[in-house]
Amino acid sequence: NAGVTQTPKFRVLKTGQSMTLLCAQDMNHEYMYWYRQDPGMGLRLIHYSVGEGTTAKGEVPDGYNVSRLKKQNFLLGLESAAPSQTSVYFCASSPQVAGVRYEQYFGPGTRLTVT
Amino acid sequence: AQSVTQPDIHITVSEGASLELRCNYSYGATPYLFWYVQSPGQGLQLLLKYFSGDTLVQGIKGFEAEFKRSQSSFNLRKPSVHWSDAAEYFCAVGTSYDKVIFGPGTSLSVIP
Repeated sequence: NAGVTQTPKFRVLKTGQSMTLLCAQDMNHEYMYWYRQDPGMGLRLIHYSVGEGTTAKGEVPDGYNVSRLKKQNFLLGLESAAPSQTSVYFCASSPQVAGVRYEQYFGPGTRLTVT
Repeated sequence: AQSVTQPDIHITVSEGASLELRCNYSYGATPYLFWYVQSPGQGLQLLLKYFSGDTLVQGIKGFEAEFKRSQSSFNLRKPSVHWSDAAEYFCAVGTSYDKVIFGPGTSLSVIP
């Protein structure tokens, strides 16, 4: 049981380049999330999805897009990377059951540097 | 507005000493409360959670937390810290909008 996996683990981009981060979960969870983690700021929600084919904006959505074409995958895209997007990105998933759905399972993270 | 505060940015304790990490939240309804731990270079792992019932909850690795509604607090405790407990600890609140709000984290260092 792999849980939540993220690809890639590390990436260096130049300003203006684009990339896609892939999150996959094998727990049949309905809910999936993308966070970014910056020093002293905890985790901030970028986008989330409450089911296949649905997405919604979180706290810091600007500069990012997401897609949930399959239930097990949640993709995060950066169309034109900026140095301010240098961060560690975490994907998480949770089941749909009320209450329990707030308990999230996290991937190992992707460390992104934009130069 | 909903928020989570962790007043201590960094705490250092000696191995074998007791530990208490503070967490305060601002939320109008009864919250779902969590503590997560993040070891260096790793994702977050759930330590414990409070949904309802007994306000003292037990978690993994010998941790416990107490929900105090009157103080809007959910402090994490451990009676005897081990060197392997050195990590970043996050308090979190689940809200009615399918979202979880995380605190800024407390970094724990353990002196041998």
